[in-house]
Amino acid sequence: AQSVAQPEDQVNVAEGNPLTVKCTYSVSGNPYLFWYVQYPNRGLQFLLKYITGDNLVKGSYGFEAEFNKSQTSFHLKKPSALVSDSALYFCAVRDGYNFNKFYFGSGTKLNVKP
Amino acid sequence: EADIYQTPRYLVIGTGKKITLECSQTMGHDKMYWYQQDPGMELHLIHYSYGVNSTEKGDLSSESTVSRIRTEHFPLTLESARPSHTSQYLCASSEPGLNEKLFFGSGTQLSVL
Repeated sequence: AQSVAQPEDQVNVAEGNPLTVKCTYSVSGNPYLFWYVQYPNRGLQFLLKYITGDNLVKGSYGFEAEFNKSQTSFHLKKPSALVSDSALYFCAVRDGYNFNKFYFGSGTKLNVKP
Repeated sequence: EADIYQTPRYLVIGTGKKITLECSQTMGHDKMYWYQQDPGMELHLIHYSYGVNSTEKGDLSSESTVSRIRTEHFPLTLESARPSHTSQYLCASSEPGLNEKLFFGSGTQLSVL
């Protein structure tokens, strides 16, 4: 069965420090992985995706994610956090058999303090 | 910004009412989706559509129904709302292809009293 786990409900980081938001996945077939961000009262916005190739994927707003096949992880990172990065972050994986289905984690609230 | 719109943004109704949540996109996407989102929980897929006259149920059992008569329009209907239907409903669409990302609307927060 396909699933995504985000083990941290909340991550707190000081502005200017690096941040990591964790995600692990379980999927049949090749993993197609995504990160989305949700600001208050807004829909989810696409940040980045991993399909194949380089394990380090770069996305919007300076975010990047590292794919690790052996650990089945796809952690979201940013070298220097901004207060404006504070939001809810969702990891998602595409179903390995039904490409029309995506499975989302429960979300991680990122708080960046000045 | 994605060109996908949901109305109403907030809806408070009484038990037993019939409601329709609207979703429209102007990007010409064939694939559209409805997700249910509760605080601290995963997004759950409740319906999706490959295109006009195509609808499928998602993984989360839902008493709602959907229709897809036009490419741009994918409304969700609850015939008789109950308090257990209280949730946020997110509509999304995606481009053709295997690796496409989802574009989300801002959601409808439904409260059934």
